[in-house]
Amino acid sequence: AQKVTQAQTEISVVEKEDVTLDCVYETRDTTYYLFWYKQPPSGELVFLIRRNSFDEQNEISGRYSWNFQKSTSSFNFTITASQVVDSAVYFCALSEDTFGNEKLTFGTGTRLTIIP
Amino acid sequence: DTAVSQTPKYLVTQMGNDKSIKCEQNLGHDTMYWYKQDSKKFLKIMFSYNNKELIINETVPNRFSPKSPDKAHLNLHINSLELGDSAVYFCASSRQGLTSTYEQYFGPGTRLTVT
Repeated sequence: AQKVTQAQTEISVVEKEDVTLDCVYETRDTTYYLFWYKQPPSGELVFLIRRNSFDEQNEISGRYSWNFQKSTSSFNFTITASQVVDSAVYFCALSEDTFGNEKLTFGTGTRLTIIP
Repeated sequence: DTAVSQTPKYLVTQMGNDKSIKCEQNLGHDTMYWYKQDSKKFLKIMFSYNNKELIINETVPNRFSPKSPDKAHLNLHINSLELGDSAVYFCASSRQGLTSTYEQYFGPGTRLTVT
């Protein structure tokens, strides 16, 4: 069974600080996909990134970066120079590569508050 | 253009009633899903459909019945509503990959309140 753990329930940082959100996953599959989603106060779920298990390259997109380490089963998310608009609940999710059964298993989310 | 839309956005109803939530996607995706987000923000899949065929049914009470008239629509009908059904329900869609799993795009959610 697949499982995603986001141990940080809530994080608060002052604007312009860097912050890292942790995500640890469990799966028996060798092929799987990891995702991050953002849920701002308005409530919608916004897709941020998808990563497959064979691609361990870190990724950077503007102020966002992701560090994927299979050795520790982690897929951490860093926001550099945080802004108030980054305040949201962030979810890490896992999908095992079972054709036709691509359900997302979500972590419990990390509520990030950026203090102006 | 809204990619995944849901109606209504808010739904307040009494216990025992029957209600439906509609979902439409204009992304040309083959697979659609329903997720439930509880008051603690925990998201859990309920159903998935691929080209109108039910693929995933995650031990959801049979008071919940999804219906997919075509691959762009996936509706959720709930019979005999209970207090515990109060939650936000999200519809999502994704491409169907033969060799890959693609990201899911979510609708804005429907906040259901059962009184």
